[in-house]
Amino acid sequence: GAGVSQSPRYKVAKRGQDVALRCDPISGHVSLFWYQQALGQGPEFLTYFQNEAQLDKSGLPSDRFFAERPEGSVSTLKIQRTQQEDSAVYLCASSTSSSYNEQFFGPGTRLTVL
Amino acid sequence: AQSVAQPEDQVNVAEGNPLTVKCTYSVSGNPYLFWYVQYPNRGLQFLLKYITGDNLVKGSYGFEAEFNKSQTSFHLKKPSALVSDSALYFCAGRDPYTNAGKSTFGDGTTLTVKP
Repeated sequence: GAGVSQSPRYKVAKRGQDVALRCDPISGHVSLFWYQQALGQGPEFLTYFQNEAQLDKSGLPSDRFFAERPEGSVSTLKIQRTQQEDSAVYLCASSTSSSYNEQFFGPGTRLTVL
Repeated sequence: AQSVAQPEDQVNVAEGNPLTVKCTYSVSGNPYLFWYVQYPNRGLQFLLKYITGDNLVKGSYGFEAEFNKSQTSFHLKKPSALVSDSALYFCAGRDPYTNAGKSTFGDGTTLTVKP
């Protein structure tokens, strides 16, 4: 079956531009997660949804970052007024509802801010 | 705050030898612990997890890991390494009672298995 997909796979933005990154989770997966992965580091938690409810956004680095999942399926991570330090790979993962279940990761979106 | 550490950036082993990739954690209570593997140009893939019960858990591709509460460790092991095991490995932890949705990852260990 289809896994988690993310688009675009690569995004180059000029400093100050807004970007939107899309995640299509595995069908039926209730939980959806966003992570930021800098070069040479592990994924850093950004935010977490259960259906359409954003239950934890403690990892969002600033108010320029915003995530939504309006219908409990597809999710969008938006970054406003991008800065160079936002350059990273943004990973999306989904899982069934239980917290002990493993996450299924998408291939990521590599964002480069010039 | 919870944290996960992978003390080795790189592990090199010869094919056929046993391998160990180390992970220690600082997560309150009884944590959920996971290992994921990342191959080049591919997303992270789940290998195995510890939730409760038997401290030795077995996962995909012949990997296993041992949960050691006294040492707060969850090392990944395989009795006989294959060249195809060469990849980037991540350990992750989650506190199911205070923050069930948030996983904390280590910085990864690059495993190289030489023929």
